[in-house]
Amino acid sequence: DGGITQSPKYLFRKEGQNVTLSCEQNLNHDAMYWYRQDPGQGLRLIYYSQIVNDFQKGDIAEGYSVSREKKESFPLTVTSAQKNPTAFYLCASSIPGNTEAFFGQGTRLTVV
Amino acid sequence: GESVGLHLPTLSVQEGDNSIINCAYSNSASDYFIWYKQESGKGPQFIIDIRSNMDKRQGQRVTVLLNKTVKHLSLQIAATQPGDSAVYFCAEKRTGANSKLTFGKGITLSVRP
Repeated sequence: DGGITQSPKYLFRKEGQNVTLSCEQNLNHDAMYWYRQDPGQGLRLIYYSQIVNDFQKGDIAEGYSVSREKKESFPLTVTSAQKNPTAFYLCASSIPGNTEAFFGQGTRLTVV
Repeated sequence: GESVGLHLPTLSVQEGDNSIINCAYSNSASDYFIWYKQESGKGPQFIIDIRSNMDKRQGQRVTVLLNKTVKHLSLQIAATQPGDSAVYFCAEKRTGANSKLTFGKGITLSVRP
């Protein structure tokens, strides 16, 4: 089955630790995105990548880092510099230029 | 599921009625305007899009209207069903290099049986 997979679904970390969220897709999409979603808010763009080995900052990139070494994978690292990391994180992929993005099921990160 | 709908504006409609969900956008340079639906515990799903040079587009049971004069986008759902209960997001996208998909805050649609 083609799709986009985020793991794990729930993640707990202690304050001050870096944590990496996984996102894998087998849709052969060049473009991939990371969004953050908080209760009562829309999806805010963290980073996006239109092609392998290239990525761009979104609207709220501070405290986050990404890599795009493979077409299928776009991991997001939440660093200790992110002041309020507890949130629901969504990864998506699309054909560049298309309006339809395919989302994963999300990872709920809780930092204690 | 995820409580992403908390504190969002809520539209409550009776099952079988038509629903109209509204969105104001800010970027006049966007090439496309899009509606997504997010059910509890899931990622958003594409519903329908409209190119910026159009004012209306119809899908199956849904219609999107675009008013560029007042920067307003709406989604009409005919004969609303319980399965339509979800959070609805409008989004916008420019085409071209480094295009990104930008979402609005979302509206919760609640369908009363």
